[in-house]
Amino acid sequence: AQKITQTQPGMFVQEKEAVTLDCTYDTSDQSYGLFWYKQPSSGEMIFLIYQGSYDEQNATEGRYSLNFQKARKSANLVISASQLGDSAMYFCAMREGVEYGNKLVFGAGTILRVKS
Amino acid sequence: DSGVTQTPKHLITATGQRVTLRCSPRSGDLSVYWYQQSLDQGLQFLIQYYNGEERAKGNILERFSAQQFPDLHSELNLSSLELGDSALYFCASSGNVWAGNTDTQYFGPGTRLTVL
Repeated sequence: AQKITQTQPGMFVQEKEAVTLDCTYDTSDQSYGLFWYKQPSSGEMIFLIYQGSYDEQNATEGRYSLNFQKARKSANLVISASQLGDSAMYFCAMREGVEYGNKLVFGAGTILRVKS
Repeated sequence: DSGVTQTPKHLITATGQRVTLRCSPRSGDLSVYWYQQSLDQGLQFLIQYYNGEERAKGNILERFSAQQFPDLHSELNLSSLELGDSALYFCASSGNVWAGNTDTQYFGPGTRLTVL
């Protein structure tokens, strides 16, 4: 069964506007972690933000925030004040439990294009 | 720069050959993970090592093997290569005993393998 679902294959956003990238997950674990990574066209994977399942506050890192809704099993990434350099592929990932070696399970990704 | 280094950056080889990909984790990180990114299968976890010992296995083929050395660098060996092994191979590291959040995996720049 698919554990991470990113339903938006591609998104466009106007420069300086905010954009939300959707992510839903499926797990029966009580302890898990959710991550967002950015992959620009150059190929590297850049860590953006982390949310632990027990964290009560939504995570924020600069212009990135994670809208964590545990009951709905969603972990959407919000990018505020989009910049041209935000154009990239974005992956949502879930860290499975310790018994799985803390491996990451990734979604299919969302391509974001920022328009000037 | 994540602090994780991978060599080589690009590798072009023929079917049936064997190659070795090398990874040096961030200073202080004890865990090394290998992932494969291909167009048809997305990002897939291959294997994890923690402080020299294998910790978890994913969808790693029997033709592939890995190890982590006492200095914590890791090598991924791919043998009897097939056309379908062409992909971007990432190494990631985590588990820095000196940092607060030991869960976050930081990715290297990847090795792009092309099998002709």
